[in-house]
Amino acid sequence: AQKITQTQPGMFVQEKEAVTLDCTYDTSDQSYGLFWYKQPSSGEMIFLIYQGSYDEQNATEGRYSLNFQKARKSANLVISASQLGDSAMYFCAMREPSTGNQFYFGTGTSLTVIP
Amino acid sequence: DSGVTQTPKHLITATGQRVTLRCSPRSGDLSVYWYQQSLDQGLQFLIQYYNGEERAKGNILERFSAQQFPDLHSELNLSSLELGDSALYFCASTREGGTGELFFGEGSRLTVL
Repeated sequence: AQKITQTQPGMFVQEKEAVTLDCTYDTSDQSYGLFWYKQPSSGEMIFLIYQGSYDEQNATEGRYSLNFQKARKSANLVISASQLGDSAMYFCAMREPSTGNQFYFGTGTSLTVIP
Repeated sequence: DSGVTQTPKHLITATGQRVTLRCSPRSGDLSVYWYQQSLDQGLQFLIQYYNGEERAKGNILERFSAQQFPDLHSELNLSSLELGDSALYFCASTREGGTGELFFGEGSRLTVL
């Protein structure tokens, strides 16, 4: 079974609108970490946001927020007020302590912001 | 700037050749991970080191090898290169404390002709 599933290969959003990128995960660990990374066309991987499994509040970092629903094992990324510079690939990832702190990445979602 | 340094940034070589990719982790980070990203693909985990010791192995080919040195820098050796080895190779490091996020280098883009 896939550890991280991103079901949206591509998404489009109008500039200044909000967009939600979906991510579901699979683990038996009680303690784990969830992450989102952005990869622009230039190729670098940029860390965006972190959510710990025991965190009761949804994580927020500027225009990024993580909609964490533990019972559903989902960790969706919400980008508010989209900007043209948000056009990129977005990867969801999980760190799983029981596997030696392995990181598992999803296949990514390509986001295009339309002016 | 993530603090992770990878060299070279670009490399073009021929089939059958051998190359070495180098990674310097962030200061204080003991864990180093290597990933391969082929064109329009996700990240494939290759191998992880922690403080000089191999901790986990992913889908790393036998033609590939890696090591982490006492100064914590790491090298990924790719030999008998094939066209399909053309990819972006990332090194990432983490402190394994706190949030424990991975910090990625800019990657080494390998082209095999």
